[in-house]
Amino acid sequence: AQSVTQPDIHITVSEGASLELRCNYSYGATPYLFWYVQSPGQGLQLLLKYFSGDTLVQGIKGFEAEFKRSQSSFNLRKPSVHWSDAAEYFCAVGTTSGTYKYIFGTGTRLKVLA
Amino acid sequence: EPEVTQTPSHQVTQMGQEVILRCVPISNHLYFYWYRQILGQKVEFLVSFYNNEISEKSEIFDDQFSVERPDGSNFTLKIRSTKLEDSAMYFCAASTEMNTEAFFGQGTRLTVV
Repeated sequence: AQSVTQPDIHITVSEGASLELRCNYSYGATPYLFWYVQSPGQGLQLLLKYFSGDTLVQGIKGFEAEFKRSQSSFNLRKPSVHWSDAAEYFCAVGTTSGTYKYIFGTGTRLKVLA
Repeated sequence: EPEVTQTPSHQVTQMGQEVILRCVPISNHLYFYWYRQILGQKVEFLVSFYNNEISEKSEIFDDQFSVERPDGSNFTLKIRSTKLEDSAMYFCAASTEMNTEAFFGQGTRLTVV
């Protein structure tokens, strides 16, 4: 079955520190992969996406993610976290078989310490 | 201008009442979706809609739910007789093509009391 796993429910980092949020997926074909961010009371904003090509993708707000097929992973990284990055982050797979839809992970809540 | 606008942002309704959640995507979107997020849980797929008909629905999308695009712009989700467990954030999403990124609205927080 198709699924997305975000093993870390909560992560706390200090401002200026580096960040890596983990995402593993289970999907039979080559997936379309996304990271979305949700600030409190807000909707889902697309950070970045991977469809094909270069496995290291750059997104908005200084985020990047690397697709590793051998590990079925699509981890999100940022070299230096800002206090405004505190939010919930969702990894998602876009299914390409049958009707297109997203399967989301359970999310990782990021807290940033000043 | 946001790609997708949802109204209302928050709705409180009594159990058993009907609610209609509205979504207005920009005009070049062709594929539409509803997702929901129960507080503290993950975002779940409800239904996809294309060419004025449902493409796929999840097991959550039972007979109490319906969707329509009555006037070619608004895309609505109706819950006929709300239950307490329908309390959630409901997200509308839209995309211009299949297999591309979807743009999400800000969500409607539905509280059933």
